[in-house]
Amino acid sequence: DAKTTQPTSMDCAEGRAANLPCNHSTISGNEYVYWYRQIHSQGPQYIIHGLKNNETNEMASLIITEDRKSSTLILPHATLRDTAVYYCIVRVAIGQTGANNLFFGTGTRLTVIP
Amino acid sequence: DAGVTQSPTHLIKTRGQQVTLRCSPKSGHDTVSWYQQALGQGPQFIFQYYEEEERQRGNFPDRFSGHQFPNYSSELNVNALLLGDSALYLCASSGEFGYGYTFGSGTRLTVV
Repeated sequence: DAKTTQPTSMDCAEGRAANLPCNHSTISGNEYVYWYRQIHSQGPQYIIHGLKNNETNEMASLIITEDRKSSTLILPHATLRDTAVYYCIVRVAIGQTGANNLFFGTGTRLTVIP
Repeated sequence: DAGVTQSPTHLIKTRGQQVTLRCSPKSGHDTVSWYQQALGQGPQFIFQYYEEEERQRGNFPDRFSGHQFPNYSSELNVNALLLGDSALYLCASSGEFGYGYTFGSGTRLTVV
């Protein structure tokens, strides 16, 4: 039940900024955009999340458009260790119990090239 | 502070057998979710446990069942294993309202 669309793969030169786009045109007002990455079949690793404002942390920046229908994850200076599958996820609140699960799509395979 | 711990890391079972996978949540987390990740695919949600009850379930057959203990740890049981059950099984724990969602490294199950 993934509600996001991402490119299948992208390449980025080492040291350059990696910009990973995501479309989530059906996002609801109370749904967050989460980004996770998964390196070589390890468990997914949290990167960043946001509701409507741009966010930045030590790993990345998240730019969400004003209409919230798309977002971009920015890795400012990509390194070889950033090679991974990146998942853009809309967090769904399920029922009245307040359950919040993550529904993954197929993600974007980012390859950082030396 | 230990993160999410899963055991075993690898497991090989024969078709038709039963398997139990275990997960210890991150300290302070009370909710455990299980995911199945087939090769080349994104993780697929199996179910979530909170207060020792199954709170939500994905599109998985009844062969997949679980349990949560009073200490918030959890087990995933799969009966009558099929070859198609071969996958990486991921556990994630979270706190109130799903904050702090954290994944373990997974259990690689191979059914032969």
